[in-house]
Amino acid sequence: EAQVTQNPRYLITVTGKKLTVTCSQNMNHEYMSWYRQDPGLGLRQIYYSMNVEVTDKGDVPEGYKVSRKEKRNFPLILESPSPNQTSLYFCASSLLGTGDTDTQYFGPGTRLTVL
Amino acid sequence: SQQGEEDPQALSIQEGENATMNCSYKTSINNLQWYRQNSGRGLVHLILIRSNEREKHSGRLRVTLDTSKKSSSLLITASRAADTASYFCATVGYTGRRALTFGSGTRLQVQP
Repeated sequence: EAQVTQNPRYLITVTGKKLTVTCSQNMNHEYMSWYRQDPGLGLRQIYYSMNVEVTDKGDVPEGYKVSRKEKRNFPLILESPSPNQTSLYFCASSLLGTGDTDTQYFGPGTRLTVL
Repeated sequence: SQQGEEDPQALSIQEGENATMNCSYKTSINNLQWYRQNSGRGLVHLILIRSNEREKHSGRLRVTLDTSKKSSSLLITASRAADTASYFCATVGYTGRRALTFGSGTRLQVQP
């Protein structure tokens, strides 16, 4: 089944304790992206990647890191989480092309709470 | 920053009725997409309409796009209780990063 998976789905942690949220897709998509969703602010892009070893900042990259060593995986790293990073995080992927290939497929989300 | 504004913010209808949601956006777009989200869960892609298209259908969904007014509408016909969800429009601009810029969403409640 074509899908984007994220782990963990739920995480409660404390300020300053490094964590990684994994994202994996099995559709051979070049493009992958991370978003966070907050009440009243909608979804905002954190980082994106056009292909292996090609990553760049989105709208709200501060406090986050990413890596793209393999095509299928795009982990999101919080080196020193803070309470303002409490949010619902989504990973998404798509082909790179034109027209309908812009459709982005989303993972199930990771609800992160930083105390 | 949010690109689009959905209207209405919330909509409650009876099963079998049609639901119409509108979306406005601010900048030039490559395409516009509609997504559904069930209460705090993942986003499901519904339909994509390109900037050179005016109308598109998919099952019970009909999407229109008016680039001169920078607006789109999503019509769900013969709604079902299972359609209860939040609906978001998202635009893709012409910048390389292909970020989806989401609107604030419409919460649809379909009463059985």
